[in-house]
Amino acid sequence: QVQLVESGGGVVQPGRSLRLSCAASRFTFSSYAMHWVRQAPGKGLEWVAIISYDRSNEYYPDSVKGRFTISRDNSRNTLYLQMNSLRAEDTAVYYCARGGSRYSSRDAFDIWGQGTMVTVSS
Amino acid sequence: DIQMTQSPSSLSASVGDRVTITCRASQSISDYLNWYQQKPGKAPKLLIYAASSLQSGVPSRFSGSGSGTDFTLTISSLQPEDFATYYCQQSYSTPFTFGPGTKVDIK
Repeated sequence: QVQLVESGGGVVQPGRSLRLSCAASRFTFSSYAMHWVRQAPGKGLEWVAIISYDRSNEYYPDSVKGRFTISRDNSRNTLYLQMNSLRAEDTAVYYCARGGSRYSSRDAFDIWGQGTMVTVSS
Repeated sequence: DIQMTQSPSSLSASVGDRVTITCRASQSISDYLNWYQQKPGKAPKLLIYAASSLQSGVPSRFSGSGSGTDFTLTISSLQPEDFATYYCQQSYSTPFTFGPGTKVDIK
């Protein structure tokens, strides 16, 4: 079935970097926008980044802009999130999610990974 | 940025009850509104997109309505598997924002 599998989470010290990966399978990865969404322990959902299907556009909220970079390798069906200058408030479960197709003006997160935990602590 | 609010923040209901959750956007978002269900320890699941379109595989007891700034998610007859937290989310403009969630638990 259509699947997203995240990896790369772990415990990291404040100020350090971490890269998350999200492997996609059983759908045409290169035809969809992709997102990262996070959820701090016991808190709600926060959208983190989007990349268009062809890598032409990326957007971030102010909370991560300039520190996080989303990228994708359509030949490897893989999405990435490079996280630099990590802070304690970045501690969360990070989900990758499939967005709208290249043929749609709509963006709803219809497929989600299982999530990977990132803990920023000294 | 567009702010999303939800009410109530939590509710207690019984199996078979009709449940309504409200979501409000700080500015008009047309019908660029999605609803998700999340159970503890699990990833969110898309229920409704474009304010009123039922995602494939989602039971028909779930429905959505609204446009502009005011939206509603209705569960017509609450089932045991529906006890969860529900989030609205706008996809009208970045940064895409979620509501704070509504927790539905057993009365």
